[in-house]
Amino acid sequence: GESVGLHLPTLSVQEGDNSIINCAYSNSASDYFIWYKQESGKGPQFIIDIRSNMDKRQGQRVTVLLNKTVKHLSLQIAATQPGDSAVYFCAENMGGGAQKLVFGQGTRLTINP
Amino acid sequence: GAGVSQSPSNKVTEKGKDVELRCDPISGHTALYWYRQSLGQGLEFLIYFQGNSAPDKSGLPSDRFSAERTGGSVSTLTIQRTQQEDSAVYLCASSSPHRGSTDTQYFGPGTRLTVL
Repeated sequence: GESVGLHLPTLSVQEGDNSIINCAYSNSASDYFIWYKQESGKGPQFIIDIRSNMDKRQGQRVTVLLNKTVKHLSLQIAATQPGDSAVYFCAENMGGGAQKLVFGQGTRLTINP
Repeated sequence: GAGVSQSPSNKVTEKGKDVELRCDPISGHTALYWYRQSLGQGLEFLIYFQGNSAPDKSGLPSDRFSAERTGGSVSTLTIQRTQQEDSAVYLCASSSPHRGSTDTQYFGPGTRLTVL
């Protein structure tokens, strides 16, 4: 069945460095992708989204890249800060009018001081 | 403005008891979603409400799970005869989708359910 997965379950980076979190998806019909950040004890927090007619979108310190050829999604966080430590989830909407999201397992990002 | 709120924040119950979890979506959001998150896992879709349309119940794991949305706003997720495997964080989200478009879902803090 369709699935969204992450290449790395954990990632540690030094404060100030850039980080890249990767995600693979298998449903070529997916037309909308979102990255969420989840801190301990809290619900997922929207970071950035991208639609399938785009290959790159930038926010504040974050960039999402979409490669539809290889069904790959990545989240780049620039100049990481301690507050970036969290679990990051990618999610896809499989189109066709469906609104439910399919989430990946998540990657735990730890920012080392 | 106020975000999605959920209550209670924590619920401990005994196996076999029924529980009700509440979600207050963002004001004006017409779509409401329930997800379940087991420890260390991603989110699992349960049910989706959109306006007056019939809900999408395709993610409910068994007939012990049901949900209602009254007046197009507040929703209640009910789990009957709880089992230990129901222990998880139950998350609610809301969005304001536009016709032909997918809109961002905003999540509440969740209810942590523990079934003893």
